[in-house]
Amino acid sequence: DIQLTQSPSFLSASVGDRVTITCRASQGIRSYLAWYQQKPGKAPKLLIYLASTLESGVPPRFSGSGSGTVFTLTITNLQPEDFATYYCQQPYNYPLTFGGGTKVEIK
Amino acid sequence: QVQLQESGPGLVKPSQTLSLTCTVSGGSIGSGSYYWSWVRQPAGQGLEWIGHIYHSGSPTYNPSLQSRITISIDTSRNRFSLNLTSLTAADTAMYFCARVRFGQGLDHWGQGTLVTVSS
Repeated sequence: DIQLTQSPSFLSASVGDRVTITCRASQGIRSYLAWYQQKPGKAPKLLIYLASTLESGVPPRFSGSGSGTVFTLTITNLQPEDFATYYCQQPYNYPLTFGGGTKVEIK
Repeated sequence: QVQLQESGPGLVKPSQTLSLTCTVSGGSIGSGSYYWSWVRQPAGQGLEWIGHIYHSGSPTYNPSLQSRITISIDTSRNRFSLNLTSLTAADTAMYFCARVRFGQGLDHWGQGTLVTVSS
């Protein structure tokens, strides 16, 4: 199985901040990486696919980059509605796997 | 707009079988290049992919659960289902169904259904 390791697991930030979350894959997955946002009691929401392509309707303050084994999700100008848990996921190989999550909380 | 809705029992006894159904509206489950997936999430924990199925009926399962799961699809009723056997407390989780854009991600999700395994 491809293991995805997210860092940090938790981060505290303020409205307006720029935050970066890293996802490392245990083996190369080219650009086959997706990012999701999940709020308490809700289903995850797809934000980015193929490492850097923004899903329709997602604000451009979200961006993704990387390929191979290291990927990043960046949120610029953090908004109140962005406080949530973020997961990476690889659709490159079976079984599909998710990272452990990064919880973004208000400082 | 595609919508997915899970249905099934909220409480199941240990050793029994869980049966969940995901009904899809706003689009045909039998068309397009989509897979139809199940994902679960224990309370306070991360996401685990259970498996998915294509409209042709070919399922792919997570090896960690493969011996206990069956995913099936009913294109005439626009729904797909999950059966999970030999339940234990470790199967207690929120279960989500989702649509998969192959190679890209899970782009539409149901709201989730909480399943508790307890006697």
